[in-house]
Amino acid sequence: LAKTTQPISMDSYEGQEVNITCSHNNIATNDYITWYQQFPSQGPRFIIQGYKTKVTNEVASLFIPADRKSSTLSLPRVSLSDTAVYYCLVGGGATNKLIFGTGTLLAVQP
Amino acid sequence: GAGVSQSPSNKVTEKGKDVELRCDPISGHTALYWYRQSLGQGLEFLIYFQGNSAPDKSGLPSDRFSAERTGGSVSTLTIQRTQQEDSAVYLCASSGQGVYEQYFGPGTRLTVT
Repeated sequence: LAKTTQPISMDSYEGQEVNITCSHNNIATNDYITWYQQFPSQGPRFIIQGYKTKVTNEVASLFIPADRKSSTLSLPRVSLSDTAVYYCLVGGGATNKLIFGTGTLLAVQP
Repeated sequence: GAGVSQSPSNKVTEKGKDVELRCDPISGHTALYWYRQSLGQGLEFLIYFQGNSAPDKSGLPSDRFSAERTGGSVSTLTIQRTQQEDSAVYLCASSGQGVYEQYFGPGTRLTVT
């Protein structure tokens, strides 16, 4: 059962690149790594998903080392509207059991 | 197209009463998930449906909690004899066949007084 660990909070300024790392030492072979963003009083919103190496989409990049025991979400040039809680999700695969990390509160300041 | 919808959006109930929470997934999505989020906390997985069957119910907190899904679509989460510690936002999500990206509904805020 993969358990994830993330920093509780991070601070940044507009225009900076933000990297949030998630540890998942017990990730299973078939597990995927997914990141979600959550604003207050809303359900989480999918950001990006990967299995290994690097994945990039229009909003973020996801870096996964070869051992897959951690992953890093990279947000380029953050803005004030990126202030939210970011969750690392490990699961899927054979068990389909999905576990959210503790979440990282990213506060972007002007 | 329509996203995941949940009803009611807010529910206030007295301790000891039963409540039913409803989730309408995105049309065609085969997988459906229930989560719970207590105030200021992360998401707690409750149960997962693939079609109408629930391969994993181990996240349900107690035997007062049950869930069903009919017709591979709508799902209801039932909490019997509600307790104050059941107060939370209950979130539903769905995903398509073979896809792990989940689309979340707005949640039902349950308050047990």
